[in-house]
Amino acid sequence: GAGVSQSPSNKVTEKGKDVELRCDPISGHTALYWYRQSLGQGLEFLIYFQGNSAPDKSGLPSDRFSAERTGGSVSTLTIQRTQQEDSAVYLCASSLHGSSTDTQYFGPGTRLTVL
Amino acid sequence: DAKTTQPPSMDCAEGRAANLPCNHSTISGNEYVYWYRQIHSQGPQYIIHGLKNNETNEMASLIITEDRKSSTLILPHATLRDTAVYYCIVRVATSGSARQLTFGSGTQLTVLP
Repeated sequence: GAGVSQSPSNKVTEKGKDVELRCDPISGHTALYWYRQSLGQGLEFLIYFQGNSAPDKSGLPSDRFSAERTGGSVSTLTIQRTQQEDSAVYLCASSLHGSSTDTQYFGPGTRLTVL
Repeated sequence: DAKTTQPPSMDCAEGRAANLPCNHSTISGNEYVYWYRQIHSQGPQYIIHGLKNNETNEMASLIITEDRKSSTLILPHATLRDTAVYYCIVRVATSGSARQLTFGSGTQLTVLP
């Protein structure tokens, strides 16, 4: 596809359940970022993948959060035992090389609601 | 990265030019000025970036002052679909580092019919 895609677009889950969010980056982009954005708030960095390097997990808020990137392309963000404070829009972005001045292209996001 | 200051909100009449200012008085020589926007319920969208020269693309123009302490994003003919929060950020050119984006509060631009 032409842009970053994410699925599902909306996810409603019950507290304590696990969820998986998917991101398909732009073809050929080596860098992939996960962010989240709570209502009316700015971007909160979660995790960054660059090629075959070890991911930068410094933004993950707890050990309930994990992410994988298989084959250098598709990424999955997993949240275990979801809590109400996990409710947010989860955004994925990709960039060509991952340098600080590379343009990041964002997907439409997944809106997660934890009841 | 240098801090930026933007007005919290602006209005613009449809069809007119929208001029969005940004102050970045502590910017250093190797920092670029980037603009993104976020339309309600959508992911952020890249608009334009520049170092010291003025830049233009199909979406907008970026005017950077000679001392680089401020810049203006210009949408030449604003439409209702340009209503969004506009973010001005500065980023240092450091290759090979994981530099996540950090947005401030931005400017809410409302294009009025």
